[in-house]
Formats: sequence, structure tokens, C-alpha cells
Amino acid sequence: AQSVSQHNHHVILSEAASLELGCNYSYGGTVNLFWYVQYPGQHLQLLLKYFSGDPLVKGIKGFEAEFIKSKFSFNLRKPSVQWSDTAEYFCAVKKGGSYIPTFGRGTSLIVHP
Amino acid sequence: DAGVIQSPRHEVTEMGQEVTLRCKPISGHDYLFWYRQTMMRGLELLIYFNNNVPIDDSGMPEDRFSAKMPNASFSTLKIQPSEPRDSAVYFCASRRSGTGNTEAFFGQGTRLTVV
Repeated sequence: AQSVSQHNHHVILSEAASLELGCNYSYGGTVNLFWYVQYPGQHLQLLLKYFSGDPLVKGIKGFEAEFIKSKFSFNLRKPSVQWSDTAEYFCAVKKGGSYIPTFGRGTSLIVHP
Repeated sequence: DAGVIQSPRHEVTEMGQEVTLRCKPISGHDYLFWYRQTMMRGLELLIYFNNNVPIDDSGMPEDRFSAKMPNASFSTLKIQPSEPRDSAVYFCASRRSGTGNTEAFFGQGTRLTVV
């Protein structure tokens, strides 16, 4: 069965630090990849997505993610985090042709001002 | 567009009571998903519908859980009888099919507490 692994369950950073959240998946075929963000008390919102083309994807709020097919990875990055980035981040993977995304467990990010 | 609308936002109920969670998907979206979010398990897919038809309910934890989608604009998730371990945030999401690069859109969630 397809699975999505987010290795960092909790990350604590100071403002202006750089961020990288890991995401690995187990499916070997064509995949569509997503990062969602859930701010405290709110619903999941799409941060960025990859379907095809340039494996380096730019999202909202300065986030980016790189799809490395050989490593089955789609890590999320941001060069300088802000206090307002405190949230839960979910990686999701969908098999090409499917409509059902599988979500990782999520990574809780706390940014200290 | 108002997005995916869920009600209620918060529900506190006593063990043994029936709980009904409601969802209105985005108009034109033909896929609807129900997810449960807990600290222990993260985000779990419970069931999803396509064109109002339940396609996969293998994620529904027990027979106490049931979901319906009587029409394209409304779905319910019912727990009867409810138990304290059902306490979680329940999200509804919808998306449209097709060949475009579409993603699932989530509702605000219903925070359920069973005491």
C-alpha cells in the first residue's frame, strides 16, 4: 500500500532560521504531490503542488518544494521562517489517475519570535 | 465561492448519543471525502463519494459510523452511538474530477468531543 512518511513530527525554530521538512512516499509510479498547511484552529489549505514539469515548485508565502524522483521525496523548504509560519504541515501524495490523496502524519512547526 | 462548508464547528456530546456532522461541498465538485484527524493517527480517510455514490468506506472504523450523500450538495457523517474515543476533528473535503491539476479543498472541520 502507498504510504507517506514525514520524518519530523515536531520542529521548533527561531525566526529567520531556514526550514526543511522531509516527505518520502512509497509509490513507484506517476505521482502528484502536495503540501498543505493547517494554521492553529483552521482547516487545511494548499501550500503548493506538483503535477509535472519543473521539479522545483514555488508556493505561497515563500515556500518551495523539490520533487526528487530517484529519492521518492518532496521536501518542503523556506529560507527564512516567520512567527506566522507556526502551523501543522502535511505532505500528501496521489497516484497519477487517482483522485485520492494519501496524507502523511503531519509535522508541527513552532517558530519562536 | 464559499468553499466547503461544515457544521457544526464544535460539538460536545455525551457518550452513547447520536452525532451527525454535515458538509456542503463546493458546487461542481463531484468527489467528496470525509477525514478524521487525531493526535495519534494524524489525518485518516474515512470514506469518499463520487457523484454521490460511496466508493470506498474501508476507512470507516466501525459500524457505528455511517455516511450518506443524498445529493450533490450535501453529505452527512453519523456516529451512533458515540464513544469518547471518537473525539477528533472531522474534515470534509471536495474536489472535481477531470484532467486538470486540481487538488482537494477542505472545510473548516468539526471538532467533536465525546464525554
